[in-house]
Amino acid sequence: DAGVTQSPTHLIKTRGQQVTLRCSPKSGHDTVSWYQQALGQGPQFIFQYYEEEERQRGNFPDRFSGHQFPNYSSELNVNALLLGDSALYLCASSRDRDVSYTFGSGTRLTVV
Amino acid sequence: AQSVTQLDSQVPVFEEAPVELRCNYSSSVSVYLFWYVQYPNQGLQLLLKYLSGSTLVKGINGFEAEFNKSQTSFHLRKPSVHISDTAEYFCAVSDPAGNQFYFGTGTSLTVIP
Repeated sequence: DAGVTQSPTHLIKTRGQQVTLRCSPKSGHDTVSWYQQALGQGPQFIFQYYEEEERQRGNFPDRFSGHQFPNYSSELNVNALLLGDSALYLCASSRDRDVSYTFGSGTRLTVV
Repeated sequence: AQSVTQLDSQVPVFEEAPVELRCNYSSSVSVYLFWYVQYPNQGLQLLLKYLSGSTLVKGINGFEAEFNKSQTSFHLRKPSVHISDTAEYFCAVSDPAGNQFYFGTGTSLTVIP
């Protein structure tokens, strides 16, 4: 049974560009959350998607947006990239209202 | 809002020795508590969680944690560590809705042969 799959695993972008990260949740999961983990820090909550809508959002600017598709997969979009957006982006999935999340291995984004 | 403080950023310990990783939390509402482990270049793996009931929680790989409501703590313990336990450990809290986790800054556990 595949867990949470994220793509790509690594990417390098230039400041000011836009990026899209993708996440396929674990089979049977319908809720997807995104976290940003800066180097040497704990993950920080970006937002959560359920039933194709953003259910809750953390303290991140509007440059961060997302989408959930009918098959429960999700995308994270970041516009106007800043150097400070360099981080590991983690996707986590669960069943609705179940606090047992499964995390993916993440996408390492480097902004130069 | 909730917050988590992990009191030790780095913990070196000799192989087969016991270890305790400390975690304190702050919250105005009841919370769920978690410990996750992160190996290099990997995502987070759940070690254990406290939702309700017995305050002593047992997890995977021989780890356990004790919820202390009066001290707002959730310390992680293992009686005998192995080299393979070398990793980053994160304490986290969520409200009962479970929509958002608040993580500490992590504790780097290094097991010395």
